Amino acid sequence: GAVVSQHPSRVICKSGTSVKIECRSLDFQATTMFWYRQFPKKSLMLMATSNEGSKATYEQGVEKDKFLINHASLTLSTLTVTSAHPEDSSFYICSADRQGRDYGYTFGSGTRLTVV
Amino acid sequence: AQSVTQLDSHVSVSEGTPVLLRCNYSSSYSPSLFWYVQHPNKGLQLLLKYTSAATLVKGINGFEAEFKKSETSFHLTKPSAHMSDAAEYFCVVSDGAGTYKYIFGTGTRLKVLA
Repeated sequence: GAVVSQHPSRVICKSGTSVKIECRSLDFQATTMFWYRQFPKKSLMLMATSNEGSKATYEQGVEKDKFLINHASLTLSTLTVTSAHPEDSSFYICSADRQGRDYGYTFGSGTRLTVV
Repeated sequence: AQSVTQLDSHVSVSEGTPVLLRCNYSSSYSPSLFWYVQHPNKGLQLLLKYTSAATLVKGINGFEAEFKKSETSFHLTKPSAHMSDAAEYFCVVSDGAGTYKYIFGTGTRLKVLA
């Protein structure tokens, strides 16, 4: 089955530093990946759509200079939270498109980011 | 524009009793609808999907959902709850406007009582 690996699962960083989160499709190629943010006990908020070989498409209100997305290969997208602040602490989840949006995207296991 | 409303933020059932998680949608297109489950601090797992084929959809772990166009509903059911079903459930509609976006409901937390 389709597997999406997300790493790290948990990370703690100091304010002002940058953190990189990786999302890999292990057994399929994904031209499109998605990054979500989930606040405690809340639903998922789409941050951006990551397109292999081109610039990411950010949702309204998401700072593209703060949340850098790179999709350099068909199996890897990265999200870098730059100059992190405590308010960036959240659960970040990626998903990848294997068969298309009408068949169900595969989600990673998420990354819990804590900025201290 | 597409939207999804999950009518209950919390549902509690006793083990062995039926589960009903309600979802209503709004869509200008013929929608694709999904139910995902999320266990604490975990990613999302696809339970089932509706993609304009049979209106009664069977998923994993004994879950089913019925697409009712007249009621714009896609409720999730299971005949008999198990303790391991306790989790957060999300109803999702895919954006049919040529993009690849998923629109999530606000989630329903299912609690299963022993």
